[in-house]
Amino acid sequence: AQSVTQPDIHITVSEGASLELRCNYSYGATPYLFWYVQSPGQGLQLLLKYFSGDTLVQGIKGFEAEFKRSQSSFNLRKPSVHWSDAAEYFCAVGLDSNYQLIWGAGTKLIIKP
Amino acid sequence: ETGVTQTPRHLVMGMTNKKSLKCEQHLGHNAMYWYKQSAKKPLELMFVYNFKEQTENNSVPSRFSPECPNSSHLFLHLHTLQPEDSALYLCASSQDPPAGGRWDEQFFGPGTRLTVL
Repeated sequence: AQSVTQPDIHITVSEGASLELRCNYSYGATPYLFWYVQSPGQGLQLLLKYFSGDTLVQGIKGFEAEFKRSQSSFNLRKPSVHWSDAAEYFCAVGLDSNYQLIWGAGTKLIIKP
Repeated sequence: ETGVTQTPRHLVMGMTNKKSLKCEQHLGHNAMYWYKQSAKKPLELMFVYNFKEQTENNSVPSRFSPECPNSSHLFLHLHTLQPEDSALYLCASSQDPPAGGRWDEQFFGPGTRLTVL
């Protein structure tokens, strides 16, 4: 069955440090890839998405992600995190087979002052 | 109001109660969704509506009953719930549902935190 894995449940980084959140998926074809962020008490917000073309995509709030077909990965990065980035981040994969999003379990980002 | 709103934000109910969750989207979208979010687990898609018609029901128990009277409003009627149904219930909308390589951004409400005693 198709699945999305976010191997890190929690990640703690210092403010100003760089960030990389990992996402791996299992699916034969190239899926549609998404990263969403959920701040405390709020709904999920789309950060960025990849459908085709340039494998490095830019999103909102200074985030970017890179699709690597050979590794079945779509990792999210930010060069310098801010305290306001503390939130939970979700990777999701869209499948044309059933037109549903398959979600990872999320990674909670904690920022150290 | 803008975006997607959900009421109530918190709900505590007994196993024999009947309650309803309400979702309203002010974005002019055609598709609406109910998701269940449990701690440490991936989001689970429950129902999808397109132009008020239900297009997906992911084997959700009948104690959850959705209703979509128009493309702006979505309800989730709850009855005879179990403690394991305690979760955050998220409503979302998108311009259109996914189809043929088109995946519109889903806009989420803040959710209803449901506790079943």
